Amino acid sequence: SAVISQKPSRDICQRGTSLTIQCQVDSQVTMMFWYRQQPGQSLTLIATANQGSEATYESGFVIDKFPISRPNLTFSTLTVSNLSPEDSSIYLCSVEVPPHTDTQYFGPGTRLTVL
Amino acid sequence: EDKVVQSPLSLVVHEGDTVTLNCSYEVTNFRSLLWYKQEKKAPTFLFMLTSSGIEKKSGRLSSILDKKELSSILNITATQTGDSAIYLCASTIQGGKLIFGQGTELSVKP
Repeated sequence: SAVISQKPSRDICQRGTSLTIQCQVDSQVTMMFWYRQQPGQSLTLIATANQGSEATYESGFVIDKFPISRPNLTFSTLTVSNLSPEDSSIYLCSVEVPPHTDTQYFGPGTRLTVL
Repeated sequence: EDKVVQSPLSLVVHEGDTVTLNCSYEVTNFRSLLWYKQEKKAPTFLFMLTSSGIEKKSGRLSSILDKKELSSILNITATQTGDSAIYLCASTIQGGKLIFGQGTELSVKP
């Protein structure tokens, strides 16, 4: 497995602001993903964070709202922009370890509440 | 559209009971089936299944995949209150993406 950390663990933000979430892994990983879990719902993939190139977004998620950076193989950020109460969710990063095994481990998550 | 469906959505049992959680999938480019346990925020990895009929076991938990029926089950024997959680099933498709089911909320009463 891998040791994955996320910061912040939780935050309360005002409508119209942005929040940047960091995901740090203790080893180099090829595949890194960002998921959202809305209250009472299951997990939905937002995007695949690609190292050195633009993220690959799923249907319904756009770069302007969820910009992602992946500067190296151990780190990624997800920004949730122009926050609205509907963005209140848990945001999780995951990594595939070992590579090419389909086994994904999740970070501890960031609980975002938008007022 | 790729879909993963879990049943039941919730379940209440007493300590010592055995439970079976169900997962069915309908996805293109199926690669594997994963089970996770979610207690607070982060899902904890339990099993990954790729081959039909081969049981994976970890303590009181076991799981098996049936690729003919496009389904999987997760069994928990001699349940304990610490097993109370949401159990998530997910299918890996092309690109390594996970498609999650709705989850089964298990409550184990003393």
